[in-house]
Amino acid sequence: GAVVSQHPSWVICKSGTSVKIECRSLDFQATTMFWYRQFPKQSLMLMATSNEGSKATYEQGVEKDKFLINHASLTLSTLTVTSAHPEDSSFYICSAESGRLAGDPEQFFGPGTRLTVL
Amino acid sequence: AQSVTQPDIHITVSEGASLELRCNYSYGATPYLFWYVQSPGQGLQLLLKYFSGDTLVQGIKGFEAEFKRSQSSFNLRKPSVHWSDAAEYFCAVGSYSGTYKYIFGTGTRLKVLA
Repeated sequence: GAVVSQHPSWVICKSGTSVKIECRSLDFQATTMFWYRQFPKQSLMLMATSNEGSKATYEQGVEKDKFLINHASLTLSTLTVTSAHPEDSSFYICSAESGRLAGDPEQFFGPGTRLTVL
Repeated sequence: AQSVTQPDIHITVSEGASLELRCNYSYGATPYLFWYVQSPGQGLQLLLKYFSGDTLVQGIKGFEAEFKRSQSSFNLRKPSVHWSDAAEYFCAVGSYSGTYKYIFGTGTRLKVLA
């Protein structure tokens, strides 16, 4: 199956700093990637849809200036948490879509990034 | 609005026993349905998916799920659970609005007793 990686797998930062998380599709090209946030023992909440070469589409209630998304190539999307605060601590998961043109769309998920803001 | 409900937050079964995890969805059109498993510290792994055709879908690791349109359900089953099946299970519906967004259920945590 298709492989999606995330880097870093975990990060600890100080309040007020910015953190960048990378999501890469390793063996396929993805025009669409997604960013999710998962709180402890809860479900995945879609934050935004990242489209290669265009602006991301954010879900209602997600601050676009807080969570900057860049999808500069067909294999890389980045999420930057700007001016991070403790309430931004969470597990961030990305996914990359494949197979839509073939009529069999599926998202492949990265292993996630644990962000802790002190 | 589209939604997915997993009524059981926790389920405990003995190893070797059968398993059924419930999933109900709300979606206006024919849904794309998925079951994922998440082990601690790992990403989501697709168990199986339903787009169309045979309503009984076979997946990996011995799992199967049955789509029942009349009940808006897509329950996951396994005839004999192994200790390694202990994990969090998520049901999701693919909602198309230009692209296929996934709406996830709240998950069911499975505990397996030896």
